[in-house]
Amino acid sequence: LAKTTQPISMDSYEGQEVNITCSHNNIATNDYITWYQQFPSQGPRFIIQGYKTKVTNEVASLFIPADRKSSTLSLPRVSLSDTAVYYCLVGDPLDKYIFGTGTRLKVLA
Amino acid sequence: EAQVTQNPRYLITVTGKKLTVTCSQNMNHEYMSWYRQDPGLGLRQIYYSMNVEVTDKGDVPEGYKVSRKEKRNFPLILESPSPNQTSLYFCASSLSPRQGRDGYTFGSGTRLTVV
Repeated sequence: LAKTTQPISMDSYEGQEVNITCSHNNIATNDYITWYQQFPSQGPRFIIQGYKTKVTNEVASLFIPADRKSSTLSLPRVSLSDTAVYYCLVGDPLDKYIFGTGTRLKVLA
Repeated sequence: EAQVTQNPRYLITVTGKKLTVTCSQNMNHEYMSWYRQDPGLGLRQIYYSMNVEVTDKGDVPEGYKVSRKEKRNFPLILESPSPNQTSLYFCASSLSPRQGRDGYTFGSGTRLTVV
């Protein structure tokens, strides 16, 4: 199974850059790595997706090393509204997708 | 607007009384899935469907049923709910199981309490 491992929680101050790393040791060779953001009592929301190297969009960057066994979500200059739980999701060679417990990010003023 | 719609948002029911949580998507997605979320356990997959009339068990299917008679709808059925099914439920859809471009789209959730 494509088990993902992330830090349980992180604290940061407003304006800082936050990096959250996810390890995924059994990722399918041809699948994306996707990160989601979830606020309390809401469904997860797509943030960014990549296959290899680096991807950047208007809210985040995603760094993926060549072996694709990990990925790092980078949130530049976080604000209080970025306080949420962040999940990485990958599929294994059998098309199984398992959400980990995610990383609870708390942004402090 | 592209979305996944779940109903109801909140539901309190009694043990043993059959209930259905509806899920509908308007994006012509082939893949749909149900998750439950409990404190400390993250999101766990209940059932998923690759396409019409094709469904399969996820990691925690016991006590649940699903059907996929139409592409847009994927209802979750609890034939005889029990208190351990009290949870927050999410429906999700995507173009394909492999997340595809833009990943999964999730509904707003259904908070179910079984007393």
